[in-house]
Amino acid sequence: DQQVKQNSPSLSVQEGRISILNCDYTNSMFDYFLWYKKYPAEGPTFLISISSIKDKNEDGRFTVFLNKSAKHLSLHIVPSQPGDSAVYFCAAPYNTNAGKSTFGDGTTLTVKP
Amino acid sequence: NAGVTQTPKFRILKIGQSMTLQCAQDMNHNYMYWYRQDPGMGLKLIYYSVGAGITDKGEVPNGYNVSRSTTEDFPLRLELAAPSQTSVYFCASSQTGNQPQHFGDGTRLSIL
Repeated sequence: DQQVKQNSPSLSVQEGRISILNCDYTNSMFDYFLWYKKYPAEGPTFLISISSIKDKNEDGRFTVFLNKSAKHLSLHIVPSQPGDSAVYFCAAPYNTNAGKSTFGDGTTLTVKP
Repeated sequence: NAGVTQTPKFRILKIGQSMTLQCAQDMNHNYMYWYRQDPGMGLKLIYYSVGAGITDKGEVPNGYNVSRSTTEDFPLRLELAAPSQTSVYFCASSQTGNQPQHFGDGTRLSIL
């Protein structure tokens, strides 16, 4: 049972515009969320995280928003750049003693020049 | 600064063959993980380890085995390869269970 869902398999935006990637979760006990970015033929790399005690975390062009009542988080990239074209995964740890996390299926972002 | 190193990068196996996917990390992380990623899907946990000598099953362990004799190495063994094991395999590590994971670049495995 997948506990985090990314309902948009792909997203295409123009360079300079905002990219918004969405993730929904079902388990209200999740207290920490992460976004990973993956280029072809490479492993995922950590991008940004958010704790459930916050509703926003910002790192440069990347901002993650958390809406606990809606069980929804989103990643905003502003402004989008062609180098941001990648697959983005949201993830949530569900057993930190074991280090277990559940991952969404990913959203492929394409930023057009 | 190597991070997590996986070998080989690509491999083709015949049905019924066996092989070991190698994973090594140089960050002195306690936690290590093996995932598989099928096309269009997220990462599924195969096995994990919270320290040397300690391993346990993840979501999809059938057909695989692991060992963790040192902090650095976490090999994944496939016995009697089956076409359903065609996938991309990622090894990852983290210092604790609640910190971001560091991933290798993956092993693309095809079983024919």
